[in-house]
Amino acid sequence: EPEVTQTPSHQVTQMGQEVILRCVPISNHLYFYWYRQILGQKVEFLVSFYNNEISEKSEIFDDQFSVERPDGSNFTLKIRSTKLEDSAMYFCASSPLVAQEQYFGPGTRLTVT
Amino acid sequence: GENVEQHPSTLSVQEGDSAVIKCTYSDSASNYFPWYKQELGKRPQLIIDIRSNVGEKKDQRIAVTLNKTAKHFSLHITETQPEDSAVYFCAASRAHNNDMRFGAGTRLTVKP
Repeated sequence: EPEVTQTPSHQVTQMGQEVILRCVPISNHLYFYWYRQILGQKVEFLVSFYNNEISEKSEIFDDQFSVERPDGSNFTLKIRSTKLEDSAMYFCASSPLVAQEQYFGPGTRLTVT
Repeated sequence: GENVEQHPSTLSVQEGDSAVIKCTYSDSASNYFPWYKQELGKRPQLIIDIRSNVGEKKDQRIAVTLNKTAKHFSLHITETQPEDSAVYFCAASRAHNNDMRFGAGTRLTVKP
């Protein structure tokens, strides 16, 4: 069964540095998402992406965040100047259609020191 | 925006008992309600979902009910097993909106 994949599994970075988290959604899916989960807390929506543009974003997704689909398979989340509070698990997800089952990747644990 | 409240935050049951987790939502336009199971250190996985044109949906030991008027929906797990132990999240979104909001999660422990 096809799965969403994410790299790296764990990223450690220093405060103020830029990080890029990578995802490969399921190949025939049209909608892509990024979520954040701070340790022990709920899953929080960051952004959704469709047809090469952002379709929805939450209040968390401010100017330090950006997303891109640089080629036909990858979907990236860039955090421009990381802060300590950006430390969390970041999940990518994809779905074939809007408001359909979203398939989550295994996550990237981001640690900002 | 949508706000999803989930209760209880923790739930402990004996193996074989039933477990019920409840969620309320604020946006009356929400019409898609999935439930995700997340085992420790793993990704969230969909276990069941319901749309607002349906009041109840069942899949083996798992069922979900939806009350649109009251804006709440519930997850029912019958004949619980130790492998049901996990954190369960409810979520809500609109039909043509990808902004899916999650509840705070319920840590279910099934004691053998």
